[in-house]
Amino acid sequence: AQKVTQAQTEISVVEKEDVTLDCVYETRDTTYYLFWYKQPPSGELVFLIRRNSFDEQNEISGRYSWNFQKSTSSFNFTITASQVVDSAVYFCALSEPRNTGGFKTIFGAGTRLFVKA
Amino acid sequence: EAQVTQNPRYLITVTGKKLTVTCSQNMNHEYMSWYRQDPGLGLRQIYYSMNVEVTDKGDVPEGYKVSRKEKRNFPLILESPSPNQTSLYFCASSLPGRREQYFGPGTRLTVT
Repeated sequence: AQKVTQAQTEISVVEKEDVTLDCVYETRDTTYYLFWYKQPPSGELVFLIRRNSFDEQNEISGRYSWNFQKSTSSFNFTITASQVVDSAVYFCALSEPRNTGGFKTIFGAGTRLFVKA
Repeated sequence: EAQVTQNPRYLITVTGKKLTVTCSQNMNHEYMSWYRQDPGLGLRQIYYSMNVEVTDKGDVPEGYKVSRKEKRNFPLILESPSPNQTSLYFCASSLPGRREQYFGPGTRLTVT
């Protein structure tokens, strides 16, 4: 069955520290997509990154980087030199095709990141 | 501005009183979906729609209805709300080939 596990419920760091948010997924499909979304205290959900199952290249975007490893079914997210504005809940998600068409997206429970000044 | 809008943003109602939460997107996306967010559970899909007149159940559809008569609108209907439907609801849209979803601002519903 599909499953997304974010084992870290809450993480607290001091500004400028690096922090890694873990995401482990389970799927039987060979074709799937992985995502990270950010939910700041204001409550909206913001798309950060998409990665498909055939693309294991790591990605860097400014202070954000993502490490996708199919061998360990992990898609971890690292924030370098964290800032207070990074304080948010971060969700990892897995998307697979449905038998009836369309796609199904499963979200992890989220990791709440506190960055203290 | 490309966006997904939801109304109302906040709603307090009583058990059994029918309500509708509207969702509209201006990005011409075929795919739309409703989620509920509960503490410790992440987001769970209620219903989704692949296009006009095509809808299907997600993981937690009980107690909800949807319709998709126009591409831009995807309302969520609670015919007889119960307290266990107290939650934060998000509407989302996407292009099927892209899969990443764009979310509305959320509707916080309290059923007493």
